[in-house]
Order: sequence, then structure tokens, then C-alpha cells
Amino acid sequence: GESVGLHLPTLSVQEGDNSIINCAYSNSASDYFIWYKQESGKGPQFIIDIRSNMDKRQGQRVTVLLNKTVKHLSLQIAATQPGDSAVYFCAERSGGKLIFGQGTELSVKP
Amino acid sequence: EAQVTQNPRYLITVTGKKLTVTCSQNMNHEYMSWYRQDPGLGLRQIYYSMNVEVTDKGDVPEGYKVSRKEKRNFPLILESPSPNQTSLYFCASREDRVGIYGYTFGSGTRLTVV
Repeated sequence: GESVGLHLPTLSVQEGDNSIINCAYSNSASDYFIWYKQESGKGPQFIIDIRSNMDKRQGQRVTVLLNKTVKHLSLQIAATQPGDSAVYFCAERSGGKLIFGQGTELSVKP
Repeated sequence: EAQVTQNPRYLITVTGKKLTVTCSQNMNHEYMSWYRQDPGLGLRQIYYSMNVEVTDKGDVPEGYKVSRKEKRNFPLILESPSPNQTSLYFCASREDRVGIYGYTFGSGTRLTVV
């Protein structure tokens, strides 16, 4: 596979533990946020989204938290599995366009 | 299966030789977009299209052209590729409906210009 994030922050967790991936966004006027997962050799895949009028949203094994005061977004993955190993991007909608963060590489140790 | 298909997956070419990367989606999406992905810079938008015959520049359009003659296809054209266009390219599409912003991405095209 290909590495798309040669200089990315990395997070290493043990299988079964919870993971927390953080993202600082740039525009206080951004009204919508998305988390994407990108596995090696593949395109980004939608995980979960949240609107700016919410501070928390839950999906299956994933939770996104939004703190508008400090312009911070986090993705929590419960009971992390080897298949969760990937690069995770946040994206903010600003001025009608999606702006992507650089990503965090999650490595799950068996 | 609903998907965005890019071709080729890998391409090595020489400086100045025109090339086209194809993108096709089978979801009847109005909105399509091209991104390039580079280490340390993340995903940057090249061009996007709101619908047939409507295209607009993204953040890094220089050196690229696009066309949208049909709803399903959105080819990316490099008239005279240069080494700084070596990158990983992604095509994406989404519905153009209020409240729908999640993109579906293709699998990527790794381009090397020597």
C-alpha cells in the first residue's frame, strides 16, 4: 500500500483500548464538520459528521465531540480494532468549501 | 455498487506530455471535485463542478483543466505536466442537496512526472 502521510502525527493504541484523535480547525464561522478514515492505498471514507449547533454526536463505536470555544474537534473510537488502523482526517465546511486537516495516523497493536 | 472510479491507478509520465485522468461516478451526483494529496499539505481542491457544463477553480488550479460534458464523468487534464504535479489525486462526488456534504472518494491516482 501507499503512505499518504509521511510526516503525520501518530497515535499508537493497544487493541481493545479506546482511541481519541484530535483536530484543531481554523475558522470560527465553519458550520459543519466531518471525520474521514483513509486506509493505505484507498480514498478517504466518511465516518461521521456533526453540525456546529451540536457538541456531541454518536455513531457505531465512534463519537465526535465539538468544542467551538477553542475550535477543537475530536473523534473517539471505542474498543479499537486492528481494522481501525488508518489515517484520520477532520474537515470543516467554510464558505461553502470543505477544508481538510492534515490527518493523524492511528496504529493499533494486537 | 455505488462508487467513484478513477483511472489509471498509477501513472508515470515525462514532463510536457499531455495526460488525462478519468473519473466516473454511478450515483447520479451533481457535484464532483478533484483533490491532490501531498505529505504535510493534506487534501487540496483543484477544480470542482456543480453540474454539467459548470466548473470552477479550487485552491490549486494552476496547470490543470477539467471538463464536465456528462453528469457521470469529470476528467482531469494536465496539458503539460511538470514534476511539481507529482502527487496522489482523488476524485470525489456528492449529492447537491441541502444538508448533504459527505463526499464519496475514488481510490486515487498516483502520478509521477519525471
